[in-house]
Amino acid sequence: ETGVTQSPTHLIKTRGQQVTLRCSSQSGHNTVSWYQQALGQGPQFIFQYYREEENGRGNFPPRFSGLQFPNYSSELNVNALELDDSALYLCASSSGRGVNDSPLHFGNGTRLTVT
Amino acid sequence: GESVGLHLPTLSVQEGDNSIINCAYSNSASDYFIWYKQESGKGPQFIIDIRSNMDKRQGQRVTVLLNKTVKHLSLQIAATQPGDSAVYFCAESTGFQKLVFGTGTRLLVSP
Repeated sequence: ETGVTQSPTHLIKTRGQQVTLRCSSQSGHNTVSWYQQALGQGPQFIFQYYREEENGRGNFPPRFSGLQFPNYSSELNVNALELDDSALYLCASSSGRGVNDSPLHFGNGTRLTVT
Repeated sequence: GESVGLHLPTLSVQEGDNSIINCAYSNSASDYFIWYKQESGKGPQFIIDIRSNMDKRQGQRVTVLLNKTVKHLSLQIAATQPGDSAVYFCAESTGFQKLVFGTGTRLLVSP
């Protein structure tokens, strides 16, 4: 069984640029969630996609957007990057629509540095 | 590898000891709780979960206790091993879609 894979593993961008992060969900999972983890903190919920539709969103501005594809893989896009966007971005997949249905399984993340 | 947390509460134990990691949660409406383990350079790894209709749940070498009266969650690890060294997060479900994570506790296991 293939787990959650994310690409790239590391990325350096300049303030004002745009970035796209990618995630392949675990086999059999149809829900993908994205989390931002700043250094020294716990992950914070960005949004969730279920069957290609956004199914919930955390307290992040509209310049954070996403997509889920028919094969349940997903992208996170961030426009107009700010220095505070520097963080580890985690993708998690699950087999249920709600987090209570089945545990989230996380990838190893993309480390984004904005200079 | 990268550092998951620089100034986290730290629990230091000897190999073979039992470890207890505590977590206070904030929302009395939360009905689902999870413990994750995060090693340096990796994403959080699921350890064990518990629903609010239970007080205790056991897994392999791990036990989670839930006290809803004081909104407290604990993770007990039996016979702690060096491979258990990591940052441990509790998370609560306050809604349908998201988990709310705590700040984490670093567990250091000495041989």
